[in-house]
Amino acid sequence: VIWMTQSPSLLSASTGDRVTISCRMSQGISSYLAWYQQKPGKAPELLIYAASTLQSGVPSRFSGSGSGTDFTLTISCLQSEDFATYYCQQYYSFPRTFGQGTKVEIK
Amino acid sequence: EVQLVESGGGLVKPGGSLRLSCAASGFTFSSYSMNWVRQAPGKGLEWVSSISSSSSYIYYADSVKGRFTISRDNAKNSLYLQMNSLRAEDTAVYYCARVMSYSTPTFDYWGQGTLVTVSS
Repeated sequence: VIWMTQSPSLLSASTGDRVTISCRMSQGISSYLAWYQQKPGKAPELLIYAASTLQSGVPSRFSGSGSGTDFTLTISCLQSEDFATYYCQQYYSFPRTFGQGTKVEIK
Repeated sequence: EVQLVESGGGLVKPGGSLRLSCAASGFTFSSYSMNWVRQAPGKGLEWVSSISSSSSYIYYADSVKGRFTISRDNAKNSLYLQMNSLRAEDTAVYYCARVMSYSTPTFDYWGQGTLVTVSS
C-alpha cells in the first residue's frame, strides 16, 4: 500500500493569495498523481493529472509539480470559488489511495 | 455530455445487503474502466473497487474484500456494487467514477453519489 501524507490539513487564506498544498508518498510513484477539488455536498472534480497536466476547463491559476515522492498543488491567485477541500490521489498501483485532504478556508 | 447517476442507497441494518447501481450516458461505456469511491460523513475519500472495461480485471480495497462485489453490464451501460455483511463503518456516500484512459487511470468524471447508512 502506498501511503500519502497531505499537508496542511487546514489552510486559511485570503482572496488573491498564493497557496501551496503538499503531498508526500511513502514510495516513488513517478508522475502518477492527480489532484481533485471538492466543494460541500458535491462530488470531487479532477483538476490535475500526471502530476502537472491541467484537466480541460480548469483555470490556469492552478498548477501542479513534482515527481517520485513529493508533489505540490499551487493556486497562484486564490479566487472566492477556490475555497474548497483538495485531495491528492495516486494511481501508480492498487489500492488507489487518496491524501487526507486540505481544506482551504477564508481567513 | 458524460453523466453518471448512482442509485440504490438507503438505510440498512448491520449485516444486511444493498446493491448500488450507476447508470452511465454520454460516452461509450464499454470502453472505460470504472470505479467506486466512498466518503464517510465528514471524512476523506476512500477508493473501494475497480473494474476494467470487459470485467477482466477487478480490484478491491482490503476493507471491503470478500463482502463487496463490483460488476458491470455493458449492454445496459450500468455499473453495480453488491454490498453484503454491511457494517456501521460502511456508512458513506458512494460515488461511481470513470477512469480517464488506460494510460492515465485517474478519475475524470464522477456521479453525484448515493448515501448508504448502516445502522440498527
